[in-house]
Amino acid sequence: DAGITQSPRHKVTETGTPVTLRCHQTENHRYMYWYRQDPGHGLRLIHYSYGVKDTDKGEVSDGYSVSRSKTEDFLLTLESATSSQTSVYFCAITTGLAGYTDTQYFGPGTRLTVL
Amino acid sequence: SQQGEEDPQALSIQEGENATMNCSYKTSINNLQWYRQNSGRGLVHLILIRSNEREKHSGRLRVTLDTSKKSSSLLITASRAADTASYFCATETTGANNLFFGTGTRLTVIP
Repeated sequence: DAGITQSPRHKVTETGTPVTLRCHQTENHRYMYWYRQDPGHGLRLIHYSYGVKDTDKGEVSDGYSVSRSKTEDFLLTLESATSSQTSVYFCAITTGLAGYTDTQYFGPGTRLTVL
Repeated sequence: SQQGEEDPQALSIQEGENATMNCSYKTSINNLQWYRQNSGRGLVHLILIRSNEREKHSGRLRVTLDTSKKSSSLLITASRAADTASYFCATETTGANNLFFGTGTRLTVIP
């Protein structure tokens, strides 16, 4: 998994509660990504980061925020979780300097259930 | 949506047979990548083909790209039970800043 860990691996929460997912990498790569995977939709980009404190929105960013205060950590926050955010969340990195044009390496995923 | 679409959605073959799956996309691309996902795991990169390339090989994998038809195919030769997984294409589209993933083909290789 290219030194990528995600925590927690599984979480069940209730509608309206805040949730933060953590992605940690050990090799100081510049680009980090958060995706969600849902049946029938494949993977969809939520947010990505191209450096410390440098982030941008992806295809499905509504209801999500991110922060990157250190190179190794990229946090995804659901400010007020909704049932539509029940999904499997994957973090990814690219090892080169060209960002998304390079091969992406994925973490093991976090399964989030919002009741 | 700019995502690619894989075809078929599911494929079941006997061990030793070849497996072919296809990806179609909608807009001009810079490159196209194929990924594999085993059940409950993250995606693993298989191969990248650039828009000016027509065919690439990697071990038992052969990828073709036809930009005029906006389509790509992934061929796995002499399949093994360990090839059982979902396979996704991902496109880097011109002017975009991320990859767009398809919905995947679920391959089952029967021993």
